[in-house]
Amino acid sequence: QKEVEQDPGPLSVPEGAIVSLNCTYSNSAFQYFMWYRQYSRKGPELLMYTYSSGNKEDGRFTAQVDKSSKYISLFIRDSQPSDSATYLCAMSEGGYQKVTFGTGTKLQVIP
Amino acid sequence: DADVTQTPRNRITKTGKRIMLECSQTKGHDRMYWYRQDPGLGLRLIYYSFDVKDINKGEISDGYSVSRQAQAKFSLSLESAIPNQTALYFCATSGASGGARADTQYFGPGTRLTVL
Repeated sequence: QKEVEQDPGPLSVPEGAIVSLNCTYSNSAFQYFMWYRQYSRKGPELLMYTYSSGNKEDGRFTAQVDKSSKYISLFIRDSQPSDSATYLCAMSEGGYQKVTFGTGTKLQVIP
Repeated sequence: DADVTQTPRNRITKTGKRIMLECSQTKGHDRMYWYRQDPGLGLRLIYYSFDVKDINKGEISDGYSVSRQAQAKFSLSLESAIPNQTALYFCATSGASGGARADTQYFGPGTRLTVL
């Protein structure tokens, strides 16, 4: 079993839809949770960073962490064609431990 | 200019050839990483370096070697390339400077390597 599981998609939605992207994990020591966005032929870039359980909102993006269920989510409101990309979850134990990445979910927002 | 640069961006080579991929950063970070990305397997860590004198193997280091020539430069070598090393390779940096958290990684644009 992988330490981090992420549905690869692809996920195709119409413009304006609410998108939910999810990851599950098995390592209960993970404390820091990140979402990266990767456009085609580009490197991943950090989108959201959260610590422990709870929600964090940044514009149209909301990151949610449920440590009791070992489940994290990224919600995108009012999705735009420019949101079309692959989204990777990532997590670490902190204290300079390595970051473990999910395999990524490919999202396409159709105009 | 980009904070993390990689050269070359694309490379096609033949089995058995030695290949070097280079990475430079201007972020002033002390930590640098090499990953490979394959469809369905995500990002896998090859090597990482916490400073010039500290090199560590990642989860898939066999067939690869690295050199940290300076704080800003980290190169990855394939001593004798084989077809299953065909992948997208990313360099990344991290460091607790400029307000960034130590485990936030900043990626280069990637090198697409094809081994025939």
